[in-house]
Amino acid sequence: AQSVTQPDIHITVSEGASLELRCNYSYGATPYLFWYVQSPGQGLQLLLKYFSGDTLVQGIKGFEAEFKRSQSSFNLRKPSVHWSDAAEYFCAVGGSSNTGKLIFGQGTTLQVKP
Amino acid sequence: DAGITQSPRHKVTETGTPVTLRCHQTENHRYMYWYRQDPGHGLRLIHYSYGVKDTDKGEVSDGYSVSRSKTEDFLLTLESATSSQTSVYFCAISGAKTPGQGLYEQYFGPGTRLTVT
Repeated sequence: AQSVTQPDIHITVSEGASLELRCNYSYGATPYLFWYVQSPGQGLQLLLKYFSGDTLVQGIKGFEAEFKRSQSSFNLRKPSVHWSDAAEYFCAVGGSSNTGKLIFGQGTTLQVKP
Repeated sequence: DAGITQSPRHKVTETGTPVTLRCHQTENHRYMYWYRQDPGHGLRLIHYSYGVKDTDKGEVSDGYSVSRSKTEDFLLTLESATSSQTSVYFCAISGAKTPGQGLYEQYFGPGTRLTVT
């Protein structure tokens, strides 16, 4: 069955520290992969996407993610976290159904310490 | 931001009453989706639409129905609301401009917080 796992429900980092949020997927075909961010009380905003090609993709707000097919992972990284990055982050996968449907992970809540 | 609005933004209703949530887009995207968001579950797809009058079920469709009579509007109806349907509901759109990969690039509305008492 297709699934997305975000192993960390909650992560706390200090402002200025580096960040890595993990995402593992189970998907039969070549996946399309996405990271979304949700600030409190807001909708989801697309951070970055991977369809094919270069496995390191750049997104908005200084985020990047690396697709590793051998590990079925698509981890999100940022070299230096800002207080405004505190939010919930969702990984999603799609690509085989021709319906545009995505499967979302459970989400990781990021807290940033001053 | 994609032109997606949801109404109402907040609603409190009683068990057993019907409720309709509206999603309106100004982007002319073909595909529209309704999700619910609950702690520990991420987003789960309720129903989706791939064109006017064309809809299909998602993974948590029981107790919900949808309608799409115009490209821009996608309605979600709870025929008889239950406390288990207390949640935050999000609408999303995709797929107008770029077939193939663009089909999967979803843009979300601001959400509707529904409380069923």
